[in-house]
Amino acid sequence: EAGVAQSPRYKIIEKRQSVAFWCNPISGHATLYWYQQILGQGPKLLIQFQNNGVVDDSQLPKDRFSAERLKGVDSTLKIQPAKLEDSAVYLCASSLDSWDPGTYTFGSGTRLTVV
Amino acid sequence: AQSVTQPDIHITVSEGASLELRCNYSYGATPYLFWYVQSPGQGLQLLLKYFSGDTLVQGIKGFEAEFKRSQSSFNLRKPSVHWSDAAEYFCAVGGDTGRRALTFGSGTRLQVQP
Repeated sequence: EAGVAQSPRYKIIEKRQSVAFWCNPISGHATLYWYQQILGQGPKLLIQFQNNGVVDDSQLPKDRFSAERLKGVDSTLKIQPAKLEDSAVYLCASSLDSWDPGTYTFGSGTRLTVV
Repeated sequence: AQSVTQPDIHITVSEGASLELRCNYSYGATPYLFWYVQSPGQGLQLLLKYFSGDTLVQGIKGFEAEFKRSQSSFNLRKPSVHWSDAAEYFCAVGGDTGRRALTFGSGTRLQVQP
């Protein structure tokens, strides 16, 4: 079974530029999550999708971050404009439609450096 | 709201010694509890999970964890640490209240001395 795919693996941008990350979840997984992991901290949920609808985006900085999940499969997370404090690893995870923690799977992440 | 506390930021043990990493959670009902390991530059790897049943859970790489409801704890243990166990360890909690995302602790960095 293929895992959660993310790209790019690394990205370096200047502050005030924009950037986008892509995630392809495990086939059949209806729930998709984006987490932000700042160096030295645990991952923090940014947004959760159920199919193509948003379940929880309470911790997403909506003035600069946006995310979409068209057709309930792939997802894109965008930052515009980026700030220095956005430097982090952005992790995507997916799980089956019904709550099944055993199927919760993380991708390898995208490491963003804002200079 | 669910939360996780990992009191130890950094732990150093000698190779072959036993290990216990602490995790305390806050959750209203029966939680779903997880331990993940993350090596530098790598993604999160699931070590073990607890949903219900036997409170002593066995995981991969020789790790185990014990759920203690009375103490709101889910400590991770290993009887004999190997140098390859050096990594960051995260405890996480999730629930069945409709909020299905996991909440992570801040992590414990394990260093293994030869």
